[in-house]
Amino acid sequence: EPEVTQTPSHQVTQMGQEVILRCVPISNHLYFYWYRQILGQKVEFLVSFYNNEISEKSEIFDDQFSVERPDGSNFTLKIRSTKLEDSAMYFCASKRQSLNSNQPQHFGDGTRLSIL
Amino acid sequence: SQQGEEDPQALSIQEGENATMNCSYKTSINNLQWYRQNSGRGLVHLILIRSNEREKHSGRLRVTLDTSKKSSSLLITASRAADTASYFCALAGRSYNTDKLIFGTGTRLQVFP
Repeated sequence: EPEVTQTPSHQVTQMGQEVILRCVPISNHLYFYWYRQILGQKVEFLVSFYNNEISEKSEIFDDQFSVERPDGSNFTLKIRSTKLEDSAMYFCASKRQSLNSNQPQHFGDGTRLSIL
Repeated sequence: SQQGEEDPQALSIQEGENATMNCSYKTSINNLQWYRQNSGRGLVHLILIRSNEREKHSGRLRVTLDTSKKSSSLLITASRAADTASYFCALAGRSYNTDKLIFGTGTRLQVFP
């Protein structure tokens, strides 16, 4: 069964450094998402992406964050200048069909980001 | 708040017993989804129930939805040690311009052999 794949599985970065988290969504999916989960807390929505642009973003997704689909397969989340509070598990998800369709979002295994 | 609130927060049972987890919410939904998360791993989609459905089955899983009470339950029958994980409900809102998922707080299920 097709899967969402994320790399790396664990990223350790110094505070203030830039980090890029990578995702390969399921190939025929059109909608892409990033979520994060701070240790011991709920999974929180960050951003959704469709047709090469952001369709929705949360309050968490400030100017330090950006997303890109640089080619036909990858979907990346960049944090420009990391802060300690960015330490979390970051999940990529994708969905096949249109907005509000009753299709599940399929999640990757996540990237654990540790900021030192 | 739209978020799902789940109870119990933690549940410990013996193998073979049934496990029931509940999710309550406050907003109108398009659908409600249940996910499982093994420790330190990703979210695995289990089942999606639409707002016009009342019950859905998948293997040993049974999900109910009561939109009048804004609540859902996940029942795992004949539990196994491998069912040990955290279980989350996730709400897909009815608003036309969003399909983000709002996750609940989760239930940690421990199944003892």
